[in-house]
Amino acid sequence: DIQMTQSPSSLSASVGDRVTITCRASQSIRSYLSWYQQKPGKAPKLLIYAASNLQSGVPSRFSGSGSGTEFTLTISSLQAEDFATYYCQQSYSMHSLTFGGGTKVEIK
Amino acid sequence: EVQLVQSGAEVKKPGESLNISCEGSGYSFTNYWIGWVRQMPGKGLEWMGIIYPGDSDTRYSPSFQGQVTISVDKSINTAYLQWSSLKASDTAIYYCARHRRPVVQLDPFDIWGQGTMVTVSS
Repeated sequence: DIQMTQSPSSLSASVGDRVTITCRASQSIRSYLSWYQQKPGKAPKLLIYAASNLQSGVPSRFSGSGSGTEFTLTISSLQAEDFATYYCQQSYSMHSLTFGGGTKVEIK
Repeated sequence: EVQLVQSGAEVKKPGESLNISCEGSGYSFTNYWIGWVRQMPGKGLEWMGIIYPGDSDTRYSPSFQGQVTISVDKSINTAYLQWSSLKASDTAIYYCARHRRPVVQLDPFDIWGQGTMVTVSS
């Protein structure tokens, strides 16, 4: 199985801050990496696919980068509605399309 | 509107069987892989498996192979997740979700159901 490791597992930030979350794969997954946002009591929402492509309707303050084994999700200016948990997911290996463990973004 | 609507919350006893459903609408149901994702209380997302409604081709995560059955009835645009004998450790929210592109087997999920809470307790 490909393991996906996110860091940090949680962070505290203020509105307006630049936030970066990292996701590392245990082997190369090329650019087959997606990011999701999940708010409490809600289903996850796709933000970024193929490492750097913004899903339709997602604000441009979200961006993704990386390839191979290291990827980042950046929120350029954190808004109140962005406080949530973020997950990465690889879609390279059909063995299991694994998710990372999640990063909870909390209000400082 | 493209949407997936899941069946309601369930409370079951250990050893009982269960079938939860996910109905798709607003798109060509048979052309998109649909998957299931588990979220245990307070925990992260776990990919369970996917099914292609067009031909019922199914893929399971090794962690869930043999523990659940994923099926589909394309005549009513509905996918299912089934247990033959529930355990307390099956207590979780289960989401169905659709792949972003038609036909593509390796893809992220762009449309999600609202989730079905399954509680297994004696």
